[in-house]
Amino acid sequence: DAGVIQSPRHEVTEMGQEVTLRCKPISGHDYLFWYRQTMMRGLELLIYFNNNVPIDDSGMPEDRFSAKMPNASFSTLKIQPSEPRDSAVYFCASSRGQDAGTQYFGPGTRLLVL
Amino acid sequence: GENVEQHPSTLSVQEGDSAVIKCTYSDSASNYFPWYKQELGKRPQLIIDIRSNVGEKKDQRIAVTLNKTAKHFSLHITETQPEDSAVYFCASRAGSYQLTFGKGTKLSVIP
Repeated sequence: DAGVIQSPRHEVTEMGQEVTLRCKPISGHDYLFWYRQTMMRGLELLIYFNNNVPIDDSGMPEDRFSAKMPNASFSTLKIQPSEPRDSAVYFCASSRGQDAGTQYFGPGTRLLVL
Repeated sequence: GENVEQHPSTLSVQEGDSAVIKCTYSDSASNYFPWYKQELGKRPQLIIDIRSNVGEKKDQRIAVTLNKTAKHFSLHITETQPEDSAVYFCASRAGSYQLTFGKGTKLSVIP
């Protein structure tokens, strides 16, 4: 299995631009999580899905952030418009419910907003 | 919601010595406690986990202990090696499938 796949691996954009991050979970996993990691705030859960349905989005910082999961093998996290304070590493993780929640992380997308 | 406190934030040990990282959690319903290792520029990777019906679990040089009464759990690394240098995160899970992570411990193993 290829593990969780994320793209792009690095993204540099200018303030005000739209940013779309992509994730492909491990096949057969029914939970998908989006995290943001910064030095100041550590690893924060933004949103998670179960069977493609958003379950908890209380971690999404504001309306500029949105996430979708149109099918079991693909999810996107969109920031529009982006701001410098959105600069961080964004991780996607997936898990299989019957494994009691063990999460496997993707390689992350390093986002820099200038 | 759940709150996880992790100590220390940084830890330096001599190669061959032991390292201990401690975490406390607030939600008594928490029942799953994984530990992740994150090397510089890499993803967090699960190294060991423990469930609430077990007090201790070992895997070669690493072990985790859980005290449900006190609501704390610890990671023990024995015979540390330079490749153990990384940031270690504890986490806990209560009723839902989401994990709450500690702030991390940067472990440095000095050769």
